[in-house]
Amino acid sequence: NAGVTQTPKFQVLKTGQSMTLQCAQDMNHNSMYWYRQDPGMGLRLIYYSASEGTTDKGEVPNGYNVSRLNKREFSLRLESAAPSQTSVYFCASSAGSGNTIYFGEGSWLTVV
Amino acid sequence: GQQLNQSPQSMFIQEGEDVSMNCTSSSIFNTWLWYKQDPGEGPVLLIALYKAGELTSNGRLTAQFGITRKDSFLNISASIPSDVGIYFCAGQAPNSGYALNFGKGTSLLVTP
Repeated sequence: NAGVTQTPKFQVLKTGQSMTLQCAQDMNHNSMYWYRQDPGMGLRLIYYSASEGTTDKGEVPNGYNVSRLNKREFSLRLESAAPSQTSVYFCASSAGSGNTIYFGEGSWLTVV
Repeated sequence: GQQLNQSPQSMFIQEGEDVSMNCTSSSIFNTWLWYKQDPGEGPVLLIALYKAGELTSNGRLTAQFGITRKDSFLNISASIPSDVGIYFCAGQAPNSGYALNFGKGTSLLVTP
């Protein structure tokens, strides 16, 4: 009963380092998303992939890149991490537009 | 993305009390969702609403999609200690594609 699985759960990076957050879903969902959650800001959409082979910018895409590797997997890459990217990152998936979105358990990223 | 106005920001109640929280928006939504987030976890869907006026229950939880399509409320009856957490409303606007707009959350504390 995995649902949406993301790794790593915790990561500390130095400013300027790069890293990739991995996400996989086993619900055969078409759409996948990356959100970030900051105190007092709620959840904000970084990028999404409406279907395999497509990706689009969300509300806060700067400093990030994504790859929809296949239907199951959607990765988020920070090319040159900045302290402002310290946040909790959530991957999510849904069957499609208008369908309920299901979240992973989150990845806590600290950039020092 | 448009932020939803969610209130109250926090609530501190005694076990057994009823709880009510709501979200409002300046524009209409097609879908309203209510999520609960426990510490260190991702948001978990509680109730999904797809039609104006819709009233849906899930155990002790009841949520309604406002007639104007600009608001929604969540009620929790006879609260218990495990209701502690942060509750988020989320809405999907027409022609928004795949984006969900989130409220900033209501933090609920329940004392035995």
